[in-house]
Parts: sequence; C-alpha cells; structure tokens
Amino acid sequence: NAGVMQNPRHLVRRRGQEARLRCSPMKGHSHVYWYRQLPEEGLKFMVYLQKENIIDESGMPKERFSAEFPKEGPSILRIQQVVRGDSAAYFCASSPRTGGANYGYTFGSGTRLTVV
Amino acid sequence: DAKTTQPTSMDCAEGRAANLPCNHSTISGNEYVYWYRQIHSQGPQYIIHGLKNNETNEMASLIITEDRKSSTLILPHATLRDTAVYYCIVRVEAGANNLFFGTGTRLTVIP
Repeated sequence: NAGVMQNPRHLVRRRGQEARLRCSPMKGHSHVYWYRQLPEEGLKFMVYLQKENIIDESGMPKERFSAEFPKEGPSILRIQQVVRGDSAAYFCASSPRTGGANYGYTFGSGTRLTVV
Repeated sequence: DAKTTQPTSMDCAEGRAANLPCNHSTISGNEYVYWYRQIHSQGPQYIIHGLKNNETNEMASLIITEDRKSSTLILPHATLRDTAVYYCIVRVEAGANNLFFGTGTRLTVIP
C-alpha cells in the first residue's frame, strides 16, 4: 500500500517559468492538502481539495498559484511565472475523509522547488 | 485553532527518555492535541494524538494535564533516528481543514 507519492522530488525552474507539482494520495484517500515550507520555517497550509472540488484555498497566494484534483489522476499544484520567493518545499498530505479528528494525515516526501 | 508554545530545541542522550513539553493554554474543549515530527528533508510524520486521556502507541506516549493546558510527548528510549523537529498541534474534531504548524522543538539525540 503505497503512501502519498509526490513528484518530482526536486524541481529547478528559471524565473518566469511554470512549475507543476504532482501528488497522488494514498489508495482510498479522497482528500488532498497542500502545504508549503519556506527555509527554516514551519509548514503553512495552502489548499484543501476533494475530487474535482476546491474546498478551502484560504492559504493560497492570490496570484500565480492554482490547484486541482481531477476525477482521474493526481492532484496538481501549479505555479505560474515563478519568482525566487517561491523556492520552498511543497508537501502534499491525504486523508480518507475530513472532520473527525481520530486519525492523522499522511504526508508525502515533498517537492523541493528551486527558482534560479 | 488554539496556538501552542514549545521550546525551540532540546537534547537527549541516546537510550534515555525524551520528554517534549507543549503549552496550549487556550485549548477549547473540542480540540485534540496532535504530535507530528519532521526528520530532515522528509515530510511530517504523524506520531500520536489525544483529547484528554493519556495515550500510548508503538512510537510514543502522550500525557495531557487534567486542565488540558499542556501536554508532554514521551519517546521512551530515544535513538539517533529520533532526531527531528517535533510539532505540537491542536485541532478541532470537525470543520478544520488544515493543521497549524508552529516552529516546533528541534530534538537532537546525542550518542
């Protein structure tokens, strides 16, 4: 039973390019969460998605960032026109359902984005 | 969600118990206490959680004070692989879609 799979593990982009980060949740999990971790800081929530729906995007920057979780395939976090400040580790987590605190989220190993 | 306060860093000798404290003085009655850890360059790993009773699993024990304003995560026999940043998080049972990670406690297990 594979865990949360994120790819690529490392991504280098030049300023102005687009970055696409992928997350495949654990089998049976239909809820996906994206977090960002800047160097030497804790993780910050970005967005929460269910299949084909964005439920909570309160942590997403207003511009250049978007996320989707299609009916088929992985969840995608897309960053357009990347800037150096977007360099960070991006983590995805999944859960079988929302609410109900009697379980913990499972996190992937992250994608480390470097903007040069 | 209520905020938590943790020491910035701690050291522990290998083989000894590591006791990591967390203050959550504004915790509400329906908020759980969660612990995660993040080993260098990896994603956070769930450790344990509880509401008001003490909890134990194969990784750790969680001791919550009677007034629920603080808790302690106990790693009974720390190993070098337990070196990580440990995050104490409080979260309501329903309605909260995300976890608030503070800066955590950086635990270093010393040989």
